[in-house]
Amino acid sequence: NAGVTQTPKFQVLKTGQSMTLQCAQDMNHEYMSWYRQDPGMGLRLIHYSVGAGITDQGEVPNGYNVSRSTTEDFPLRLLSAAPSQTSVYFCASSYSPLEGLYNEQFFGPGTRLTVL
Amino acid sequence: QQQVKQSPQSLIVQKGGISIINCAYENTAFDYFPWYQQFPGKGPALLIAIRPDVSEKKEGRFTISFNKSAKQFSLHIMDSQPGDSATYFCAAMTTDSWGKLQFGAGTQVVVTP
Repeated sequence: NAGVTQTPKFQVLKTGQSMTLQCAQDMNHEYMSWYRQDPGMGLRLIHYSVGAGITDQGEVPNGYNVSRSTTEDFPLRLLSAAPSQTSVYFCASSYSPLEGLYNEQFFGPGTRLTVL
Repeated sequence: QQQVKQSPQSLIVQKGGISIINCAYENTAFDYFPWYQQFPGKGPALLIAIRPDVSEKKEGRFTISFNKSAKQFSLHIMDSQPGDSATYFCAAMTTDSWGKLQFGAGTQVVVTP
């Protein structure tokens, strides 16, 4: 299993540009999440999904869109990039607690985004 | 406003020493408290986790102590090794909101030889 994969690893954007951060998992996990990591602030939840076709907002959703058309993929879209979105972005996945399995969240390797 | 407060921000400990990281929370609905370890350039990885029905959980050199009445929990790293040098995050979540982890700000631990 590849686990949780993210592309690209690094990206530089200009203010106003749009882009999509890709996330995929091959563990058949129902739950997927996007976090951003900023110095001194830990990781903050942007959006999450409890299954294909179901998404909801997290703590810092403004400026980001998500969709979940398959169990495997959960892309994050930046609509109009701003310098405040410079951060490291992590995707995570886990089983549903309803499945009664040990519910570890598995994180991808991250995407480092710089917005100029 | 962070729902989970973590201290200290950084910690230097000698090889063989004990590292202690503390976290406090306000939301009494939290019922799952994991600790994550992150090495530079990598994503966080689950280290150890506890639920509020136990006061302590130990896995190897890592121990979580949990004080429900004080709404505090801590990570103890015994016999710290240079390979333990990493950033550690505490987190909290409710089972009803699975997937919505609330993270502390992180503690950078450096273990000197």
